[in-house]
Amino acid sequence: QVQLVESGGGVVQSGRSLRLSCAASGFTFRNYGMHWVRQAPGKGLEWVAVIWYDGSNKYYVDSVKGRFTISRDNSKKMLYLQMNSLRVEDTAVYYCARWDQNLDFDFWGRGTLVTVSS
Amino acid sequence: SYDLTQPPSVSVSPGQTARITCSGDGLPKQYVYWYQQKPGQAPVLLIYKGSERPSGIPERFSGSSSGTTVTLTISRVQAEDEADYYCQSADSSGTYRVFGTGTMVTVL
Repeated sequence: QVQLVESGGGVVQSGRSLRLSCAASGFTFRNYGMHWVRQAPGKGLEWVAVIWYDGSNKYYVDSVKGRFTISRDNSKKMLYLQMNSLRVEDTAVYYCARWDQNLDFDFWGRGTLVTVSS
Repeated sequence: SYDLTQPPSVSVSPGQTARITCSGDGLPKQYVYWYQQKPGQAPVLLIYKGSERPSGIPERFSGSSSGTTVTLTISRVQAEDEADYYCQSADSSGTYRVFGTGTMVTVL
């Protein structure tokens, strides 16, 4: 069965960096684009970034452009989110989600919490 | 970017019908998707391409659209349907995703 497991979250000071990982299993990872979505405490969902199945295209929400980088390693079935120059407002649970051409976000991980302190 | 607006909350009695709207200027140029999220859990896809249900989703959940407003309808509401619901779409290029503001459904 499809499984997505995020890791790498934690408490970090404002201005520092953090790298999130998402381990995929149960499907042919290299055939699917992937998303990162975040949810601030008590708030709604916010799409963060998408990467094409082969890594050829990457797109970001305006609030993280130039600070976050999405990447993947298809040989390891891993998705990453490098987060630099973190801000307090980046505090959220970060989910990775599979991008299906018809279903869009069809499978989600359980998320990893990132807390940015001032 | 553009916004998708949902009512903050909807209350419904068991067995009744709940309707959650999602409106935005970009609709319906792009497909709309609906997700259910229960506390402490990841979202679950309920409806894709406006009105299609993934396998395993009860027929009680249905999607429809009219003009720039799309609607998620939950028929014969059950206590287990109490959750947050989000619509989701994309910009005109289909690349940049956007989620609605979310609706908390309370089963009385």
